[in-house]
Amino acid sequence: QKEVEQNSGPLSVPEGAIASLNCTYSDRVSQSFFWYRQYSGKSPELIMSIYSNGDKEDGRFTAQLNKASQYVSLLIRDSQPSDSATYLCAVLDSSYKLIFGSGTRLLVRP
Amino acid sequence: DTEVTQTPKHLVMGMTNKKSLKCEQHMGHRAMYWYKQKAKKPPELMFVYSYEKLSINESVPSRFSPECPNSSLLNLHLHALQPEDSALYLCASSQKGQPSSYEQYFGPGTRLTVT
Repeated sequence: QKEVEQNSGPLSVPEGAIASLNCTYSDRVSQSFFWYRQYSGKSPELIMSIYSNGDKEDGRFTAQLNKASQYVSLLIRDSQPSDSATYLCAVLDSSYKLIFGSGTRLLVRP
Repeated sequence: DTEVTQTPKHLVMGMTNKKSLKCEQHMGHRAMYWYKQKAKKPPELMFVYSYEKLSINESVPSRFSPECPNSSLLNLHLHALQPEDSALYLCASSQKGQPSSYEQYFGPGTRLTVT
């Protein structure tokens, strides 16, 4: 059973802090990794994708991938209350199906 | 433009009704997906269409019937649903080919309530 594991949270950080969200996956052959943000009652929104080991930065977001450790993370710098949402880690498996983690709820305190 | 549209936004139906959910994308994507999402759970894959052909059916009950009339449209026909089928139904699309083209973009979803 291919699995993607995330801490359900909530992860609570003060406004302006760095929020660090983590994800591990079981399928060693996975090559494509994604982070989605989902506000309550809304659909998932793709915010980051990463395919190679290392860091990928986009504005306040940095995705980090370590295939040897089967670990993906998302850093959100200068966190804002509007970043409060559930963050879903997703991994594309060898059948080209997207396997989602259960999501981490992030709360940014003003 | 990464827009996927879905209609209706909300749907209430009885267990004997027949209804359809619609999804449309104009990004030239060749893969389209239906997901079901229950509260506080991640999306669950139901069906995948690739180049307008059904490529994955995740053992979904026959009361859900997908249809892909053309490369831009995806329908989900509903018949004799159960109250436990109440959920947010999400459509997504992606390109095919290189790994980077598997980025899936979701529509806003249809909130379905079965009474």
